[in-house]
Amino acid sequence: AQKITQTQPGMFVQEKEAVTLDCTYDTSDQSYGLFWYKQPSSGEMIFLIYQGSYDEQNATEGRYSLNFQKARKSANLVISASQLGDSAMYFCAMRGANAGGTSYGKLTFGQGTILTVHP
Amino acid sequence: DADVTQTPRNRITKTGKRIMLECSQTKGHDRMYWYRQDPGLGLRLIYYSFDVKDINKGEISDGYSVSRQAQAKFSLSLESAIPNQTALYFCATSDLHSSGRTYEQFFGPGTRLTVL
Repeated sequence: AQKITQTQPGMFVQEKEAVTLDCTYDTSDQSYGLFWYKQPSSGEMIFLIYQGSYDEQNATEGRYSLNFQKARKSANLVISASQLGDSAMYFCAMRGANAGGTSYGKLTFGQGTILTVHP
Repeated sequence: DADVTQTPRNRITKTGKRIMLECSQTKGHDRMYWYRQDPGLGLRLIYYSFDVKDINKGEISDGYSVSRQAQAKFSLSLESAIPNQTALYFCATSDLHSSGRTYEQFFGPGTRLTVL
């Protein structure tokens, strides 16, 4: 079974500052992938960043980076230079794979963190 | 045009009614999923389908059924709706190498369902 834990129900940050959203995971799969999605108040799910369990480097996508610490089973999202438009709910999610390495495809989500960016 | 569409976008129904939520995709993906989102619980998987002949239960399938009419269409039914099925429902699709990120999921806009 897989589990994702996001321990921060809400986070606040000043505009232009950096913020880290925490995510820890638990899995027995050897191969897995970690995703972050953003959900603005309009409700759609927007993909932000992906990290594969065998990727040696931390993933980056523009202002988003993923601080992947495999031994600690953490995959924290770092948003640099926060903008007012970053205010949203953020979800960490994981997909696993079977013993043969074939991905299950389906995702397990954390509870989410609401980020509020202050001007 | 949206790649993953859901109809209806909003629906209010009464306890005991049968309701169907529909999902269509133009991405050509084999894999499709239905999730529900409740406040404080994130998204939870209801059913998923790896191709037209392969349908699997997810974490919370009780009270739901699905139909994969074609590669592009995956419908979710509530046979007899109850108030605790009030939620935001998402359809999603994925494929192995659609974007270089293995099995990235692409979500529809969501259907907000209220059961009175």
